[in-house]
This record gives sequence, structure tokens and C-alpha cells, in this order.
Amino acid sequence: GENVEQHPSTLSVQEGDSAVIKCTYSDSASNYFPWYKQELGKGPQLIIDIRSNVGEKKDQRIAVTLNKTAKHFSLHITETQPEDSAVYFCAASILYNTDKLIFGTGTRLQVFP
Amino acid sequence: DAGVIQSPRHEVTEMGQEVTLRCKPISGHDYLFWYRQTMMRGLELLIYFNNNVPIDDSGMPEDRFSAKMPNASFSTLKIQPSEPRDSAVYFCASSPRGYANTGELFFGEGSRLTVL
Repeated sequence: GENVEQHPSTLSVQEGDSAVIKCTYSDSASNYFPWYKQELGKGPQLIIDIRSNVGEKKDQRIAVTLNKTAKHFSLHITETQPEDSAVYFCAASILYNTDKLIFGTGTRLQVFP
Repeated sequence: DAGVIQSPRHEVTEMGQEVTLRCKPISGHDYLFWYRQTMMRGLELLIYFNNNVPIDDSGMPEDRFSAKMPNASFSTLKIQPSEPRDSAVYFCASSPRGYANTGELFFGEGSRLTVL
């Protein structure tokens, strides 16, 4: 079955710096890659996603890139702010073929003022 | 909409006791998922329903776990008997019709279970 690996498990950056989180997936048929942000005491919330027919997607300070050949995708946060501090999860799924979303193990991001 | 509502938010129980976690999905959402979150294993899918029917329960750890969805607005996850290793945060999530096309999950705030 699908397996998603995520690195690093923790990441500390200074406010204003960039943060990059990387994930690899095992099933080459995967075609949907969302990223979820989980704040303390809350459930995860979708922040951005990408489909396999696109190599990069941006939304303000957040961007996601996908390399299908290498089977990895990354989340890039620029100009980080303290409110970006949270746990970030990547996930992979095979749309139209399965209803399952398999999550990575999470990255705890801390942004220091 | 109030979002996905889970109860209780916190549950502390003793080993061997029965635990029932409850979930009310967002109205109109056809899919409902139960996830378990631990430090060691992250977010694990336990089971999910489509139109109240269990589709895949391959993630349910063992027979002590069971889940039901008697109607479109309510689901339960039951652990009987509970064990200390069941301690985790249990999330319920729902998704609208066409989940297979959109992929977005809407999570509740979770139920933190501690089994002593």
C-alpha cells in the first residue's frame, strides 16, 4: 500500500526566514498531494494541495512543488511568521480510484520572533 | 456551519473500560473518516464510511475497536475493552460528495483519550 515519509520531524526557523518540508511517496499511481496544518489543540486543516498534472502551485507565502519522477513533493513557506508555528502534514492519495488519504508523520515547525 | 463536532474532547478511563467516541459530520457531507493520532505513528486511518456504509476498516487495530454510522449525522467509535496503548487523539473528519475528486477533509477538534 501507499507509504508517505516526511522530513524533518522538527524545524526551527527565525521569523522572516523560509521553511521547507519534504515528503516522498511510494505508490507511483498517486495523483493528489495535500498539505494540512495542525495548530495546538485543533484538527488538521487543508492549506494547499497539488495534483499530478501540475509541477508547482503557489498561494501567497506558501508553495508546493511536485517531482513525479522522483516521487517527492515539498512545502515551501517564505517570510515565516510566528503564527506559522504548527505541525504540518503531507499526504498522498489516488483520486478517482480510492477514497484513502495517507498522511506523513508530521513536521513540527517553530518560528521564533 | 459549526464544522465537525466531536465528543468528548477529553476522556480519561481505566484499562478494561468501554470507551465511546462520538462524531457529528458537517451536514451534507457523504464521507466520514476516523483517524488516530499518536506521536509514534502520526495520523492513521482507522475506518471510513460513504453514505453511512463502512467502506474500508482495514486500519482498525483489532476486534476491540468498532465503528458505526446509524445515520448521516452521527457516528461512533467504540473501544471495548480499552487498553493503555489505545491512548491517543482520535479525529473524526468528513468530506462532501465528490471527495474522490477533491480530496479535502474537514477535521473535528479531536477526542483525547487516556487509558490508565
